[in-house]
Amino acid sequence: DSGVTQTPKHLITATGQRVTLRCSPRSGDLSVYWYQQSLDQGLQFLIQYYNGEERAKGNILERFSAQQFPDLHSELNLSSLELGDSALYFCASSAGGQGWSYNEQFFGPGTRLTVL
Amino acid sequence: GQQLNQSPQSMFIQEGEDVSMNCTSSSIFNTWLWYKQDPGEGPVLLIALYKAGELTSNGRLTAQFGITRKDSFLNISASIPSDVGIYFCAGQSAGGTSYGKLTFGQGTILTVHP
Repeated sequence: DSGVTQTPKHLITATGQRVTLRCSPRSGDLSVYWYQQSLDQGLQFLIQYYNGEERAKGNILERFSAQQFPDLHSELNLSSLELGDSALYFCASSAGGQGWSYNEQFFGPGTRLTVL
Repeated sequence: GQQLNQSPQSMFIQEGEDVSMNCTSSSIFNTWLWYKQDPGEGPVLLIALYKAGELTSNGRLTAQFGITRKDSFLNISASIPSDVGIYFCAGQSAGGTSYGKLTFGQGTILTVHP
């Protein structure tokens, strides 16, 4: 158990809909990362938050957004869903701060999103 | 963008054999990480490497950070059935807009026959 929790574990929805994925980082971790894993693209970095602020952005679509709240949990919002958005979405957390070991990322169990 | 080439894509070995897999990059990384993923689960961190040339062990696992900072390998000695899974390398840059971002290899699927 990595200490990172994600809900829900499975989500089935229809095209055009909007969903919210939730992540709670490990106790004490300030950084949260979101990744998408699909068969054709592999594991792709989406976005990072550090202590409530956006730190880095990857290949995140404009239809997707995220935020990190004062209690450090994070939510990933996916809107106008398309069939191609079906994937595993992982949240990871790290301590953040100075020093390389603070950037070791620990992954949650993921949310499997199926868009029908 | 940064690309990681991980090889081999898959391996079928007998229990007790040693395994080796590697990753090469077109760009320099400051940190190399190796993860294992079981079906339906999130990646689990196995080993983290921070310095070029560094050799680090974790039980039967040994990994090295290449001198050029563009490659890394992972060895598993005396494989056992529970080693089955997908192994990913990941490179991490620091600074600029990519701070903290992990770039993953395509994964190596390991099958161990008893």
